[in-house]
Amino acid sequence: KNEVEQSPQNLTAQEGEFITINCSYSVGISALHWLQQHPGGGIVSLFMLSSGKKKHGRLIATINIQEKHSSLHITASHPRDSAVYICAVRMDSNYQLIWGAGTKLIIKP
Amino acid sequence: DAGVTQSPTHLIKTRGQQVTLRCSPKSGHDTVSWYQQALGQGPQFIFQYYEEEERQRGNFPDRFSGHQFPNYSSELNVNALLLGDSALYLCASSSPVGGYTFGSGTRLTVV
Repeated sequence: KNEVEQSPQNLTAQEGEFITINCSYSVGISALHWLQQHPGGGIVSLFMLSSGKKKHGRLIATINIQEKHSSLHITASHPRDSAVYICAVRMDSNYQLIWGAGTKLIIKP
Repeated sequence: DAGVTQSPTHLIKTRGQQVTLRCSPKSGHDTVSWYQQALGQGPQFIFQYYEEEERQRGNFPDRFSGHQFPNYSSELNVNALLLGDSALYLCASSSPVGGYTFGSGTRLTVV
């Protein structure tokens, strides 16, 4: 079992829909990152969370430390949101990020 | 405030050659991590540098080596290139209490 699990693996939605991507982890963490990668592009850090909720524009990220679960929400989705969204955790006892497999999101106009 | 800068952006090398990739971290960050991302795959951790020392290493052969300079910038060196080394190489900088900032990557093609 992977230490970081994301769902769904693929998601296709219509423009304007509310999007939710989930991340569950099984290890103790010091922080959780949500990252975005466009095809052929580099990685952009969207959020770093250690507790609670953060909002940036149409993006909202939440984390429940007790349940070891985080969600990324996109409101009023737009075709330019189409990308791979990756959950990665920074463990208490490790310097590297542990990556989820990513969620490929396609927003159709 | 510049983020993470990587150079070059694209590179084509021949099998057996050596390559050096460079990374300048975000201002205020003292730690640099390198990742390899093959096409269609997730990033794989190569190593992390802190205080000019390799602090942690992933499952990569000794052909992959690195260096961190006093100004926190870093280099990734790959010797005896193989076709399978073709990938996007990502640099990420961080600080002990902050998050990660990623560069746009260097696309290495080995022919």
